[in-house]
Amino acid sequence: EAQVTQNPRYLITVTGKKLTVTCSQNMNHEYMSWYRQDPGLGLRQIYYSMNVEVTDKGDVPEGYKVSRKEKRNFPLILESPSPNQTSLYFCASSQLGAEENGYTFGSGTRLTVV
Amino acid sequence: AQKVTQAQTEISVVEKEDVTLDCVYETRDTTYYLFWYKQPPSGELVFLIRRNSFDEQNEISGRYSWNFQKSTSSFNFTITASQVVDSAVYFCALSEERDKLSFGAGTTVTVRA
Repeated sequence: EAQVTQNPRYLITVTGKKLTVTCSQNMNHEYMSWYRQDPGLGLRQIYYSMNVEVTDKGDVPEGYKVSRKEKRNFPLILESPSPNQTSLYFCASSQLGAEENGYTFGSGTRLTVV
Repeated sequence: AQKVTQAQTEISVVEKEDVTLDCVYETRDTTYYLFWYKQPPSGELVFLIRRNSFDEQNEISGRYSWNFQKSTSSFNFTITASQVVDSAVYFCALSEERDKLSFGAGTTVTVRA
């Protein structure tokens, strides 16, 4: 089954403790992206990647890092999480040049930073 | 500047009523894609429809219908004869650059039995 898998689904952590949210897709998509969802703001793009070793900032990149060492994986790293990063996070992937096929989203990761 | 505006923050209806969600977008591109997603209380994003900028045909899928009007930059979504299971947050989104989705703030629909 074609899918984007995020882990964990839920995470509660303390301020300053480094964490990684994993994202993996099995569709051989070049493009992958991370979004955060906050009430009243919709989903906002954090980082995206057009291919292996190619990443770029989205609209709200501060406090986050990403890496794309393999095509299928695109982890989101919070080196020193803060309470304002409490949010619902989504990973997405798509085939470059095939925008008509749309995007596949993961099931989301609900992060709470206390 | 907000590229996608969903004017209604919350809509509450009684079952079997129709409900229309407004979506207005802003772009200078001639080629773009518009999407609607549903987010039920469980939190996942469920894809509903995708429309490209060259296809202004309205679409109906069961109780769902979409009205795309380039002249007013709108892509409105109507749920006919709403049901409790339609209670969710609905997002309109625009893809104009290569593979970037810009989302509206979302409209929370509550359908009461």
